[in-house]
Amino acid sequence: DQQVKQNSPSLSVQEGRISILNCDYTNSMFDYFLWYKKYPAEGPTFLISISSIKDKNEDGRFTVFLNKSAKHLSLHIVPSQPGDSAVYFCAADIGTGANNLFFGTGTRLTVIP
Amino acid sequence: DTGVSQDPRHKITKRGQNVTFRCDPISEHNRLYWYRQTLGQGPEFLTYFQNEAQLEKSRLLSDRFSAERPKGSFSTLEIQRTEQGDSAMYLCASSLAQWSYEQYFGPGTRLTVT
Repeated sequence: DQQVKQNSPSLSVQEGRISILNCDYTNSMFDYFLWYKKYPAEGPTFLISISSIKDKNEDGRFTVFLNKSAKHLSLHIVPSQPGDSAVYFCAADIGTGANNLFFGTGTRLTVIP
Repeated sequence: DTGVSQDPRHKITKRGQNVTFRCDPISEHNRLYWYRQTLGQGPEFLTYFQNEAQLEKSRLLSDRFSAERPKGSFSTLEIQRTEQGDSAMYLCASSLAQWSYEQYFGPGTRLTVT
């Protein structure tokens, strides 16, 4: 059962515009959420995270929003740059201390110059 | 320090053969994780170590799979009697225990079982 879902397999955005990547989860025990970026032939790279006690976290051009009641989070990239083109994975942690992450299936972002 | 490294990057093997992969984590990281990623999916947790102790194993880790981290440094993942369904990317990640949410991934080992 897929506890973390990314329903959009791909997204194309013009350079300079906002990219919004979405993620839904089903397990209410998740207490920490992360976004990873993955380029071809490389492992995922940590991008930004948010604790379940917050609803927003911002780091430069990247902002993650969490809506616990809707079990939904989103990643906003503003402004989008061609170098942002990659696969983005949403991940969640259940707070047991093991920190084994549950990943979504990924969204491929293409930023068009 | 150049990050998490994995060896080999690619492995092609015939069904029924045994394979072993190696992961070298970031040197000061005491947690090490193994994940498996199949086409079109996100990484799936397999197992993790805190220093040399293997603390959790996923139900995905059948008895054909074994992982070790003998001195709390590098780790190996062995798959015995490989099956075609084992074809996947095997990812290793490491983290500092107190910052475990942020895991640093290696480039992965792509296994193809023919």
